[in-house]
Amino acid sequence: DAEITQSPRHKITETGRQVTLACHQTWNHNNMFWYRQDLGHGLRLIHYSYGVQDTNKGEVSDGYSVSRSNTEDLPLTLESAASSQTSVYFCASSGDPGSEQYFGPGTRLTVT
Amino acid sequence: AQSVTQLDSHVSVSEGTPVLLRCNYSSSYSPSLFWYVQHPNKGLQLLLKYTSAATLVKGINGFEAEFKKSETSFHLTKPSAHMSDAAEYFCVVDNNAGNMLTFGGGTRLMVKP
Repeated sequence: DAEITQSPRHKITETGRQVTLACHQTWNHNNMFWYRQDLGHGLRLIHYSYGVQDTNKGEVSDGYSVSRSNTEDLPLTLESAASSQTSVYFCASSGDPGSEQYFGPGTRLTVT
Repeated sequence: AQSVTQLDSHVSVSEGTPVLLRCNYSSSYSPSLFWYVQHPNKGLQLLLKYTSAATLVKGINGFEAEFKKSETSFHLTKPSAHMSDAAEYFCVVDNNAGNMLTFGGGTRLMVKP
């Protein structure tokens, strides 16, 4: 069955370190998204991609970057981790515009 | 611009009683609307979606929602709550211009025995 996976599921890192969170989908979807979830804010969009070599900034993109070298993967990089980036991160993918997004299980990141 | 307001951050019901989770939205476009559920420490699962067909949408696990354009609402209901329904529920709007989703703040549903 097609799926979307994230790794690691839990990560603790120190302030200032570079961190990369992986997202891999086997739906063959063109659209991929990264969100962060914080109490009281629902999910907020960090970056998104509509296809290979395409990346776009979302609502809360400062301090984050993504790259899309193939259809299956959209890694999220925190250039220099900050305590404000402690959060749960979700990756999602979708096919046609207006269709539902399929979410990964999430990565809980703690920056100390 | 679009926005989503979930009117209750917490809802508590007894098992076997009806569930009502309220959602109002604003959008400059003809939106698609979704309800997602998130069980503790899990990802988000689609409950149901409205995409301009029938205004009453039926989803999984006995949930349904009614799209009311005049009231800009998309409330989620279930006739009889089950213990397994305890979770966080998100109302979501897609402006159909690039699959950009806007999430409400979430409603935590608690079900008492």
